[in-house]
Amino acid sequence: SAVISQKPSRDICQRGTSLTIQCQVDSQVTMMFWYRQQPGQSLTLIATANQGSEATYESGFVIDKFPISRPNLTFSTLTVSNMSPEDSSIYLCSVGTRYSSRIHGRTDTQYFGPGTRLTVL
Amino acid sequence: SQQGEEDPQALSIQEGENATMNCSYKTSINNLQWYRQNSGRGLVHLILIRSNEREKHSGRLRVTLDTSKKSSSLLITASRAADTASYFCATDEGYGGATNKLIFGTGTLLAVQP
Repeated sequence: SAVISQKPSRDICQRGTSLTIQCQVDSQVTMMFWYRQQPGQSLTLIATANQGSEATYESGFVIDKFPISRPNLTFSTLTVSNMSPEDSSIYLCSVGTRYSSRIHGRTDTQYFGPGTRLTVL
Repeated sequence: SQQGEEDPQALSIQEGENATMNCSYKTSINNLQWYRQNSGRGLVHLILIRSNEREKHSGRLRVTLDTSKKSSSLLITASRAADTASYFCATDEGYGGATNKLIFGTGTLLAVQP
C-alpha cells in the first residue's frame, strides 16, 4: 500500500481565515479523495481530487468553500476557506487502488493519510 | 443518506474476550471493507470481503457478509488493550468507470479493558 503523509498534522485557526492541507503520496496514484470527520462522527466524502481537472464535489460541499488542487499524481491540497467553528474536524486524504483479476474482477480499496486535526476558534 | 449503520455504537470488554461489531448497508455492493481508527488519527485498512464471499479471516479477525440481509460482522478474537479503537465498515457500491467511492458506516467505539 502507498505511504501517505499530510501536513499539518493539526492546527488551531481563527474564524474567517483559511487553511491549506497538503497530502503527499510516495507513488503515483490515479484516485485521491478528501474526507471530513466531524467530532465523534464517521467520515464524509468531500470530493474526489482529479489530476489536471476540477475536483468532483459531493452534495453539500462546494468549490468556493473547499478548493482542491491536484497538480500531479502524487500530491493534492485541500483548502478550508473562511473558516468557522463548525469547520472544526479531522480532514483526511485517501488514495484509491484498483486491482483486477480474472477470478474476482475489479476490487477497489482506499488507504488513508494520518489526518489533519483542525480547530477553529 | 446512504450511510451504513453500525452497532453497537460503543462496546466495552475485558482483555481476552471476543468483540463482535455489526454493519448494515442499504444498496447492493461490490465489496465491504473494515477500517480501524485509533483516537482521531488516520484509518488503517483491516480487511476486505467481496460481495461473492461469505466469510474471511485475517489473523484474529473474522468477517462475515450476508448480502441478502445487507449486513456484515467483524469479530475480533482474544482481544487486547491495543485493539481499543473505533471500527468502521465501508462499502464500495460498484460504480462504473474510474470512481471507487466508499460509503462509511457510523462506527463502533471499542474499549478493551486490561
